[in-house]
Amino acid sequence: SQQGEEDPQALSIQEGENATMNCSYKTSINNLQWYRQNSGRGLVHLILIRSNEREKHSGRLRVTLDTSKKSSSLLITASRAADTASYFCATGTLQETSGSRLTFGEGTQLTVNP
Amino acid sequence: SAVISQKPSRDICQRGTSLTIQCQVDSQVTMMFWYRQQPGQSLTLIATANQGSEATYESGFVIDKFPISRPNLTFSTLTVSNMSPEDSSIYLCSVETGMVNTEAFFGQGTRLTVV
Repeated sequence: SQQGEEDPQALSIQEGENATMNCSYKTSINNLQWYRQNSGRGLVHLILIRSNEREKHSGRLRVTLDTSKKSSSLLITASRAADTASYFCATGTLQETSGSRLTFGEGTQLTVNP
Repeated sequence: SAVISQKPSRDICQRGTSLTIQCQVDSQVTMMFWYRQQPGQSLTLIATANQGSEATYESGFVIDKFPISRPNLTFSTLTVSNMSPEDSSIYLCSVETGMVNTEAFFGQGTRLTVV
């Protein structure tokens, strides 16, 4: 079953504005990752934050993780039309027999209008 | 990092037939993963494929419907058998190059339509 819930499901903003997407999960995790998907193609990894980290930055991306609330947020600053895509959070956990496993959230469709 | 070549990129198939999707990685990896993404939905893990052992299937997915091969450390196939329109989805293969706290790399996906 899906562990992650994301909100909003859809977000429409103007170029230059910031976009914030939230992700909640239910069980203990090793890490939380954010991925981007353009038009139903393959996913591209954006950023990984470990369970013992609280905040991480990568370029215009800022990710926070609150393990006490089992939630994460992805902030994209100074958005561009090219940021239009679906964004998924994924929780990483270690399984006894199959190693690492990712469980994906429902995703947020971001539209950045020029 | 890893570069994954997945094919076909898309196909339209008749119900009752089978389609085999191939996934080729540019480096040796221990574990490969197959996901399904139904229209407008998130990704659901079908199975984990380790070289030299049987694939491990998630709840709701069975080997007879989704047989997987993993003949070596750079290649895997997923077959969607006896297809019905409900199998219309994007199928994605993925690899991780480490065991813990590593990112996943994805193929470009196979968009399958069953008519």
